[in-house]
Amino acid sequence: QLQLQESGPGLVKPSETLSLTCTVSGGSINNISYFWGWIRQPPGKGLEWIGIIYYSGGTYYNASLKSRVTMSVDTSKNQFSLKLNSVTAADTAVYYCARLSYSDYFRVFDYWGQGTLVTVSS
Amino acid sequence: SYVLTQPPSVSVAPGKTASITCGGNNIAYETVHWYQQKPGQAPVLVVYGESDRPSGIPERFFGSASGNTATLTISRVEAGDEADYYCQVWDRDSDHVIFGGGTKVTVL
Repeated sequence: QLQLQESGPGLVKPSETLSLTCTVSGGSINNISYFWGWIRQPPGKGLEWIGIIYYSGGTYYNASLKSRVTMSVDTSKNQFSLKLNSVTAADTAVYYCARLSYSDYFRVFDYWGQGTLVTVSS
Repeated sequence: SYVLTQPPSVSVAPGKTASITCGGNNIAYETVHWYQQKPGQAPVLVVYGESDRPSGIPERFFGSASGNTATLTISRVEAGDEADYYCQVWDRDSDHVIFGGGTKVTVL
């Protein structure tokens, strides 16, 4: 059974960089059939797609966050990571990592981590 | 970019049928997926490719689409179906994953 687990600081100061890592177990991140992604959810609000990364390092980012987002992958550790710089209180959210299955016709997140709350506050 | 519109809330009595809509321009030509999210939990995929279900999801969950509206139908609603539901598509033009705003389903 595939499992994803987010890790990283739960508190980040304004203007600093949010850094999270997702560890994948029960399957290899080094798989041509999937992308690996990040989604966030501000308290009491809906889901917002942040971006996805392929095992080879190719990325697609949400245009609204693109200038502040960097994603990377470490296949040797079966992990992928998110960095979001210049954070403000608006970046306070539960951050989820997830696996994205894809074809020519769709992209769907079929496995999710449990999520981790990141609060931006001084 | 592509926009998905969901009603904020839907109420349904136990044993009845709930219909959750997701509006989008010519959404019938898109592949729509649906997620269930219970309080304090991560979203769970319940319908993908409009009408397929992952292993373990009951047949009571069914997806369909026509024109500008996609619908998640939950038949014989149970108390355990109370949750937020999100629709999702992939916008080919922008290469973005798009989520609807979510619908809170309340079982009366």
